[in-house]
Amino acid sequence: KQEVTQIPAALSVPEGENLVLNCSFTDSAIYNLQWFRQDPGKGLTSLLLIQSSQREQTSGRLNASLDKSSGRSTLYIAASQPGDSATYLCAVLSGSARQLTFGSGTQLTVLP
Amino acid sequence: DAGVTQSPTHLIKTRGQQVTLRCSPISGHKSVSWYQQVLGQGPQFIFQYYEKEERGRGNFPDRFSARQFPNYSSELNVNALLLGDSALYLCASSPSRAGGENEQFFGPGTRLTVL
Repeated sequence: KQEVTQIPAALSVPEGENLVLNCSFTDSAIYNLQWFRQDPGKGLTSLLLIQSSQREQTSGRLNASLDKSSGRSTLYIAASQPGDSATYLCAVLSGSARQLTFGSGTQLTVLP
Repeated sequence: DAGVTQSPTHLIKTRGQQVTLRCSPISGHKSVSWYQQVLGQGPQFIFQYYEKEERGRGNFPDRFSARQFPNYSSELNVNALLLGDSALYLCASSPSRAGGENEQFFGPGTRLTVL
């Protein structure tokens, strides 16, 4: 059974800092890994998709890496802004049902 | 192009009632998945439908059922509601069931409250 863990559960940083969110998963037989952003009470916004054959993806101030063999991914956010405040969820696509298994998320607060 | 849409936005039911939630995928997407997100947790997989057939089911009781229509929209039904069914129900669509390039796009969700 695939399990996904995200550390830390919550993080508070001053504006302008660079930060790293961590994600680990137990079964390396994945199709891809997605990072999502979720604002309170809202749906999920896809930030980055890394296919299992890829090592990293970049979009603007975001960079995500994937080490499938060790079951780890990191999301790097450069020059954080108050608008980045949200919960960040990591999810892996795996199994015959092609289902996403999510971590519990990291709640990020960027202080002005 | 419109994203994934879900209706209703909010719903309040009492224990024992039945509820139907609706989802319209992104145009051209043939796969729809349903997830339940309890407050403070990550979403949990309920069902996946592709080309109108059930392709996967998570660890949920038989009170949960779903279907996909010829236009690829989908309904999630929950019978005999329990207080523990209170959650945000999310629908996700993707173009196919292909592997690594299969990106999931989520709707805004339906907030179900069971009293």
